[in-house]
Amino acid sequence: GQQVMQIPQYQHVQEGEDFTTYCNSSTTLSNIQWYKQRPGGHPVFLIQLVKSGEVKKQKRLTFQFGEAKKNSSLHITATQTTDVGTYFCAGRGYNQGGKLIFGQGTELSVKP
Amino acid sequence: GAVVSQHPSRVICKSGTSVKIECRSLDFQATTMFWYRQFPKQSLMLMATSNEGSKATYEQGVEKDKFLINHASLTLSTLTVTSAHPEDSSFYICSARLSGSFYNEQFFGPGTRLTVL
Repeated sequence: GQQVMQIPQYQHVQEGEDFTTYCNSSTTLSNIQWYKQRPGGHPVFLIQLVKSGEVKKQKRLTFQFGEAKKNSSLHITATQTTDVGTYFCAGRGYNQGGKLIFGQGTELSVKP
Repeated sequence: GAVVSQHPSRVICKSGTSVKIECRSLDFQATTMFWYRQFPKQSLMLMATSNEGSKATYEQGVEKDKFLINHASLTLSTLTVTSAHPEDSSFYICSARLSGSFYNEQFFGPGTRLTVL
């Protein structure tokens, strides 16, 4: 079945450093979504990418969808302590009944 | 924005008992809700897709008789963990998809932490 792999599993950065998490799917995706889960909280929707090669920005966050629609990345510029949490990508394949398959998540910690 | 609630937020029960978890979409109708299970510091594992008025679709490896799902209305889905055992202890999260929204994103409930003694 469809699998979504995400790396790295953990990332520790100094405040102000950049951070990137990568997501790879075993199959072509119709779209990919990104979620953030704060410690002790529940996942919160960040963005959805649909088009091949799409790039979207939200302030310091940049999201990319690969040309083949099988990989994606989230890049945070100049991290802040408020960026702490686990970032999940979630891919929706074709013929999957609309369900999302979540990656393992990347846990980001930011040292002030 | 779209809000999803879950009840209870935390439950501790004895082995062998059944536990019911409710998931409600508070300000929108959700024809489809999803149930996930999350182990500490791990990803969300989709258990089943709950469709209003019809049987749930279970993921491979998830026991239908163990995890009973009922989606009786457009705003309520329930997950019943039957004859719970310690290995069923986990964080259970539901989500509801906002049909017709631009992004078709899922809104997650706050989760239910189940501890089986």
